[in-house]
Amino acid sequence: QQQVKQSPQSLIVQKGGISIINCAYENTAFDYFPWYQQFPGKGPALLIAIRPDVSEKKEGRFTISFNKSAKQFSLHIMDSQPGDSATYFCAAPRGGSQGNLIFGKGTKLSVKP
Amino acid sequence: EAGVAQSPRYKIIEKRQSVAFWCNPISGHATLYWYQQILGQGPKLLIQFQNNGVVDDSQLPKDRFSAERLKGVDSTLKIQPAKLEDSAVYLCASKLAGGNTGELFFGEGSRLTVL
Repeated sequence: QQQVKQSPQSLIVQKGGISIINCAYENTAFDYFPWYQQFPGKGPALLIAIRPDVSEKKEGRFTISFNKSAKQFSLHIMDSQPGDSATYFCAAPRGGSQGNLIFGKGTKLSVKP
Repeated sequence: EAGVAQSPRYKIIEKRQSVAFWCNPISGHATLYWYQQILGQGPKLLIQFQNNGVVDDSQLPKDRFSAERLKGVDSTLKIQPAKLEDSAVYLCASKLAGGNTGELFFGEGSRLTVL
């Protein structure tokens, strides 16, 4: 079973700090790595995504770092804000070209004021 | 642009009863997904449609779950008979086209509690 393994399960960060969430994958054929953000009572929403032909992608305060040799990718949230408090999921294509995703188990981030 | 619509938002049933959830994807989105999200876990794919055809239903418990997308637009997911372990949020998502990349747009989900 192809998996993405996400850590930590929960994270508490002070306002202004850096939040780092890690994800490891097994299948070297994966070619697309998105991160989704989910607020309570809402569906997940795409935050940022990366293809393995680049090692880093930055959008505002959010950065994905990709390490192909280690089969890992991570989400960095700079200058974390209380509004960033949510659950974050890494994901990867489930296989083939069907275009569906397998998700990690999620990281619940709490940013303290 | 209207998002993915789902109903009902909440449903409470007894075990062995049946339940149906409805999803209307974003207009023009050919690909539709049903995901199951158990509390504290990530979404797990149940079924994927491309227009009105099934692309992937390998993780759908077919003895009790069924889904259809008859006209290639809205979709219904049914559970009959429900078990306690079916308590979860059922998320519908849509995507403009097929392929491995591209954003999935999720609805707010239908929360099912089986007693």
